[in-house]
Amino acid sequence: EPEVTQTPSHQVTQMGQEVILRCVPISNHLYFYWYRQILGQKVEFLVSFYNNEISEKSEIFDDQFSVERPDGSNFTLKIRSTKLEDSAMYFCASRRQGNSNQPQHFGDGTRLSIL
Amino acid sequence: QKEVEQDPGPLSVPEGAIVSLNCTYSNSAFQYFMWYRQYSRKGPELLMYTYSSGNKEDGRFTAQVDKSSKYISLFIRDSQPSDSATYLCAMTVMNTGFQKLVFGTGTRLLVSP
Repeated sequence: EPEVTQTPSHQVTQMGQEVILRCVPISNHLYFYWYRQILGQKVEFLVSFYNNEISEKSEIFDDQFSVERPDGSNFTLKIRSTKLEDSAMYFCASRRQGNSNQPQHFGDGTRLSIL
Repeated sequence: QKEVEQDPGPLSVPEGAIVSLNCTYSNSAFQYFMWYRQYSRKGPELLMYTYSSGNKEDGRFTAQVDKSSKYISLFIRDSQPSDSATYLCAMTVMNTGFQKLVFGTGTRLLVSP
């Protein structure tokens, strides 16, 4: 069964450094998402992306964050200058085009640790 | 009031028991409801989804939605130790097409042999 893959599984970065989290969505999917989950808290929406542009973003997704689909297969989340509070699990999700009732499928996440 | 409320548990049951997991929500615009299972250090795995009130069954799992009460449930029959995981409810408004999911906190389920 096709799946969403994310790399790396664990990223350790010094505060203030830039980090790029990578995702390969399911191949025939056209809607892409990033969510994060701080340890012990609920999964929170960050951003949705369709047709090479952001369709919606949350308050968390400030100017330090950006997303890109640099080629036909990858979808990336960049944090320009990381803060301690960016430490979390980051999940990528994708879903097919079509009716808005197609569900999202998630990857296993990247655990981001900011030192 | 939180948009989506879910008892964090843990909920401990013996193998073979029927499990009931529940979420309540406050936003009447939510129309599309999902249940995900999350094992430790893994991503949410889709179990069931529905956009209508009533019951939807898939094997040992039944999802129930009551929009009038803003209440959704997931029932697991003949629970197995492998069902031990955190169960997340998620929901969204459908009309935008972009489907921003709002999650509950998750209920941790422990099924003992």
